[in-house]
Amino acid sequence: DAGITQSPRHKVTETGTPVTLRCHQTENHRYMYWYRQDPGHGLRLIHYSYGVKDTDKGEVSDGYSVSRSKTEDFLLTLESATSSQTSVYFCAIRGNTDTQYFGPGTRLTVL
Amino acid sequence: AQRVTQPEKLLSVFKGAPVELKCNYSYSGSPELFWYVQYSRQRLQLLLRHISRESIKGFTADLNKGETSFHLKKPFAQEEDSAMYYCALSGQSKRSQGNLIFGKGTKLSVKP
Repeated sequence: DAGITQSPRHKVTETGTPVTLRCHQTENHRYMYWYRQDPGHGLRLIHYSYGVKDTDKGEVSDGYSVSRSKTEDFLLTLESATSSQTSVYFCAIRGNTDTQYFGPGTRLTVL
Repeated sequence: AQRVTQPEKLLSVFKGAPVELKCNYSYSGSPELFWYVQYSRQRLQLLLRHISRESIKGFTADLNKGETSFHLKKPFAQEEDSAMYYCALSGQSKRSQGNLIFGKGTKLSVKP
């Protein structure tokens, strides 16, 4: 499992509320990623980080922000959740061989 | 633009039949390609990486640069192979180096 955990694993929230998802790794890898998984769309990159305080946008970054204040944690924030952000969110790290390893996912429902 | 296409949303086969999951890509240069598998409600797991040329769980995939394809094959499907399969391409632009571009996935269903 490459030492990757995500919290919470499930969350139900209401439209307009802020939501923060946490990804934690124990392997000290530099690169971390947030994806969303939706039927018919596969996985799409939201944001990624290439070091502490170094982040960049992915394909579907609108409505999301990220922070990385220490190597082991990468936070994804929905400032004001919308129903279109109902999805399964996966965190990933890039290992030494450039292969990405995924966390268990967070299932988010926005009502 | 870099793109990964998996033309089949669903592939249904009987146990013991051969399986081929198609993946085509568009990319200029030397691609780095992966197959990931996701069993029901679990995390994605790396199945194959083209550069390693391994065979995992009986699956193989060969990179065909002429046809820009990286199809996943298994000679005899098992029921436990039922899962979602994603093909992915590693981006090579300076900005996106190492980022993965995923296809939309193919759901494999192996019937008894």
